[in-house]
Amino acid sequence: DAKTTQPTSMDCAEGRAANLPCNHSTISGNEYVYWYRQIHSQGPQYIIHGLKNNETNEMASLIITEDRKSSTLILPHATLRDTAVYYCIVRSFFGNEKLTFGTGTRLTIIP
Amino acid sequence: DSGVTQTPKHLITATGQRVTLRCSPRSGDLSVYWYQQSLDQGLQFLIQYYNGEERAKGNILERFSAQQFPDLHSELNLSSLELGDSALYFCASSGDRAGANVLTFGAGSRLTVL
Repeated sequence: DAKTTQPTSMDCAEGRAANLPCNHSTISGNEYVYWYRQIHSQGPQYIIHGLKNNETNEMASLIITEDRKSSTLILPHATLRDTAVYYCIVRSFFGNEKLTFGTGTRLTIIP
Repeated sequence: DSGVTQTPKHLITATGQRVTLRCSPRSGDLSVYWYQQSLDQGLQFLIQYYNGEERAKGNILERFSAQQFPDLHSELNLSSLELGDSALYFCASSGDRAGANVLTFGAGSRLTVL
């Protein structure tokens, strides 16, 4: 699996958009970008994934650069419940591969 | 409720003992994954099963073993327990479709070894 680089921590004001960057410069053509988060000691929660197009769901938006070497997860209106560790993971397109978690970004939403 | 059920939620035991953690995957999911998360540590992949067969192995100690049964539930057996085995153990499952399978995680089993 390709390696990802994320900032160790970030703060965001409640109600503002939280933009979490991720670098994955060694991503290969058959790899997706996944985002998960872990709220304190809970099981990791899937947020969104994408291959090369921007994606949006009820939780977040994922912006992937045209060269696919980096991406940004956007939480449009952050709430205190969004405080968590966010993991950017690159994983093979070919199904049922494990997820390899890095250290992620600890996002703190400030009231 | 993610649909992945793990039992027990909490377990306290002594060094040298053996425990079994159980995981029931989401209905229809054939793959089960086990992860370990020690205090303030990252999520470490232990092992994966697909439809009863071992599929991938990570940093799993020889004292640990797992299996997936015909009804697709899985058990993680931890033996000769040491203080350092205290951790959260997560199970995840995913479907059998090719492509971008999403892993769904359970709430975890917290093991404390005294």
